[in-house]
Amino acid sequence: DAGVIQSPRHEVTEMGQEVTLRCKPISGHDYLFWYRQTMMRGLELLIYFNNNVPIDDSGMPEDRFSAKMPNASFSTLKIQPSEPRDSAVYFCASSLFSSPLHFGNGTRLTVT
Amino acid sequence: RKEVEQDPGPFNVPEGATVAFNCTYSNSASQSFFWYRQDCRKEPKLLMSVYSSGNEDGRFTAQLNRASQYISLLIRDSKLSDSATYLCVVMPENTGNQFYFGTGTSLTVIP
Repeated sequence: DAGVIQSPRHEVTEMGQEVTLRCKPISGHDYLFWYRQTMMRGLELLIYFNNNVPIDDSGMPEDRFSAKMPNASFSTLKIQPSEPRDSAVYFCASSLFSSPLHFGNGTRLTVT
Repeated sequence: RKEVEQDPGPFNVPEGATVAFNCTYSNSASQSFFWYRQDCRKEPKLLMSVYSSGNEDGRFTAQLNRASQYISLLIRDSKLSDSATYLCVVMPENTGNQFYFGTGTSLTVIP
């Protein structure tokens, strides 16, 4: 079975540019999570969806961040405009209810 | 108070040693517990779920103490390949399938 698939693996962009991160969850999983990881703050939950509906977006840092899940097999996390402090590794994860999370390989974002 | 707390370490142990990590959680209604392993510059991967009766997988043993609200991970006969960060994860009841991660404990196994 394919795991959670994220793209791109690496993204380098200049401050002010729009960044779009993509995620394909494991087929059949009805929960999808977006996390951000930095050395300073560890793993932070940004937002999660259940059956394509956002359930908790309290971790989204500010209005520059938005996430969508148009269908069960695809989600995007968009940052517009990007800033250097957004540099981090962004993980997407999926799960069934009360089952462990499965993470994608992550997108390493660098904003210069 | 954080939902989940772990000693960040680092733990530096010689090959063959036994090492134990503890993790405490604040929500007594927590119902699911996991240990994840994260290698440098990689994603977290499930190491094992933690069951009420305790469970073992080869050299790894996980324990749950609900009364004291902590879980533990014991690694016996440490291998160089065990070097990683170990993350404790807790899922309380009635939080809509939300997972709470500890900050991780760093382990380095030395030859």
